[in-house]
Amino acid sequence: AQSVTQLGSHVSVSEGALVLLRCNYSSSVPPYLFWYVQYPNQGLQLLLKYTSAATLVKGINGFEAEFKKSETSFHLTKPSAHMSDAAEYFCAVTLGGGSQGNLIFGKGTKLSVKP
Amino acid sequence: DTEVTQTPKHLVMGMTNKKSLKCEQHMGHRAMYWYKQKAKKPPELMFVYSYEKLSINESVPSRFSPECPNSSLLNLHLHALQPEDSALYLCASSHLGEGTEAFFGQGTRLTVV
Repeated sequence: AQSVTQLGSHVSVSEGALVLLRCNYSSSVPPYLFWYVQYPNQGLQLLLKYTSAATLVKGINGFEAEFKKSETSFHLTKPSAHMSDAAEYFCAVTLGGGSQGNLIFGKGTKLSVKP
Repeated sequence: DTEVTQTPKHLVMGMTNKKSLKCEQHMGHRAMYWYKQKAKKPPELMFVYSYEKLSINESVPSRFSPECPNSSLLNLHLHALQPEDSALYLCASSHLGEGTEAFFGQGTRLTVV
């Protein structure tokens, strides 16, 4: 069965520092992988997605992620953190075919940004 | 229009009440979803509708009853809920096909008293 594991339930960085949020996946078939962000008391917003077209995926708000099959990883990065990046980040996976919104989420990583 | 609209935003209901959550999208998506999110937890899939037909029910108790009247609307009927059902209920929609992403609404914050 497919699953994702997010390493670190809480990550704290200083404003302007590199953001690195880790996600490892487990899937017996090529997966589709997503990063979503959730601000307090709000829904989820898609940051980026991997669908096998390119291993380096660029998303919104300066985020990007690299799919590494050899490491079964899909880590999310941003070169320079901004205060507005403080939120909960979820990595998610779904198998191909049929409905694509039936996502399996990791436990989430809360990102704090210090001034 | 790339929005999924959920109403109400907040709902407080007693354990004997009957209420409904509503979700609407006008993106032409033929798949719609209900997720439940407890505090400090990830969303968990409850139901999936494809072409207005229920395709996945993740063993959700019958006190939750979904309905998809047409391709733009999704309801979740609530009856005889328990306090542990208090959560953020998220609706999402997507196209059907490889690699398409889900669009989420802002959620309904439900409190059962």
